[in-house]
Amino acid sequence: ETGVTQTPRHLVMGMTNKKSLKCEQHLGHNAMYWYKQSAKKPLELMFVYSLEERVENNSVPSRFSPECPNSSHLFLHLHTLQPEDSALYLCASSSGVVRTDTQYFGPGTRLTVL
Amino acid sequence: AQKVTQAQTEISVVEKEDVTLDCVYETRDTTYYLFWYKQPPSGELVFLIRRNSFDEQNEISGRYSWNFQKSTSSFNFTITASQVVDSAVYFCALSEGGGGSNYKLTFGKGTLLTVNP
Repeated sequence: ETGVTQTPRHLVMGMTNKKSLKCEQHLGHNAMYWYKQSAKKPLELMFVYSLEERVENNSVPSRFSPECPNSSHLFLHLHTLQPEDSALYLCASSSGVVRTDTQYFGPGTRLTVL
Repeated sequence: AQKVTQAQTEISVVEKEDVTLDCVYETRDTTYYLFWYKQPPSGELVFLIRRNSFDEQNEISGRYSWNFQKSTSSFNFTITASQVVDSAVYFCALSEGGGGSNYKLTFGKGTLLTVNP
């Protein structure tokens, strides 16, 4: 595998379910990100991890819980979501957290909350 | 505050036509970086180019070219002799400089390009 991978690619869940999104990067990077992409809206940064420490929590509701066990893996745990949380969730990684570091994205998980 | 404007929501062209995607940005930083990403229907954002604010030279990569003009705060992207595979949403983004949030990318809303055969 190369680049940034995300699983599952599609997820349908009810409002009372608990599920997790997984992201893995094979680029040797030290920083990982979660973004939310809703229809008609710009990409929204949710969380940033640098060397497995969270450096950004962009006012995201607590029903989204990130986890970064090591610099190659990033999870987004979901529970009691709302229909408005339906979106494409994109993971990205970069070598560091400075503006010169290009972020490389995975293919995303298309989430539908019923 | 940073802002990126992609005024063209959708563009439709016929194959082999040239097409330019506009990007206008606002920032108070003197040092910043601009990016273009391509998002095909599969969903993945594909990195195309990064440009720093001190380098105003235009860049060409195959059929792609970028025109960075600091005087007008624009970073436009031109595809020459477009192909059906160029159909995608294209995002322009600006990185925030200084302070502790160097990694933040401000994205435009994207331009949907459709290239018809």
